[in-house]
Amino acid sequence: GNSVTQMEGPVTLSEEAFLTINCTYTATGYPSLFWYVQYPGEGLQLLLKATKADDKGSNKGFEATYRKETTSFHLEKGSVQVSDSAVYFCALRESGGSYIPTFGRGTSLIVHP
Amino acid sequence: DARVTQTPRHKVTEMGQEVTMRCQPILGHNTVFWYRQTMMQGLELLAYFRNRAPLDDSGMPKDRFSAEMPDATLATLKIQPSEPRDSAVYFCASGTSGGPTGELFFGEGSRLTVL
Repeated sequence: GNSVTQMEGPVTLSEEAFLTINCTYTATGYPSLFWYVQYPGEGLQLLLKATKADDKGSNKGFEATYRKETTSFHLEKGSVQVSDSAVYFCALRESGGSYIPTFGRGTSLIVHP
Repeated sequence: DARVTQTPRHKVTEMGQEVTMRCQPILGHNTVFWYRQTMMQGLELLAYFRNRAPLDDSGMPKDRFSAEMPDATLATLKIQPSEPRDSAVYFCASGTSGGPTGELFFGEGSRLTVL
């Protein structure tokens, strides 16, 4: 079956530091890949996505590149802010079948001033 | 601004009581998902509907949980009887069935505490 593996958190950074959150996946077909963000007390919301190999998704200074050869979709940001503190979920949706998303466990990010 | 609406936002109840959570998906969305979020298990899929038909409820404890979509504007998740281990945040999400590239839109969740 499909699976998504994310690095364990929490990730603790100082403001303006560089962020990487690793995500690798296992899928039988050609999935679309997503990063969702969950702010405290809220539901998940889409941060960015990529639908085919070598695509780069970007939003709010965050980027992730769909790497088929390494089955990865790492999230990066060059300079984090306190307001980026949240839980980040990597997810995939398979290209065939029911399209049920598979989510990773989530990685908590804490940014200190 | 279209959004998924969930009620109640918070619910405290005693073991053995019935709990019903409601979700209004975004107008025009024809897929609805129910998820449960806990620290230990993360996000667990409980049920999935497409065009109001249940397609997957394999993650749902059938003896006490039930999920329905009486119409396109309402999805319900019921727990009867509730147990302390059901304490969690329950999320509803909706989307379009346009294939694998579509995003899900999540509600703000219903936080359930069973004493």
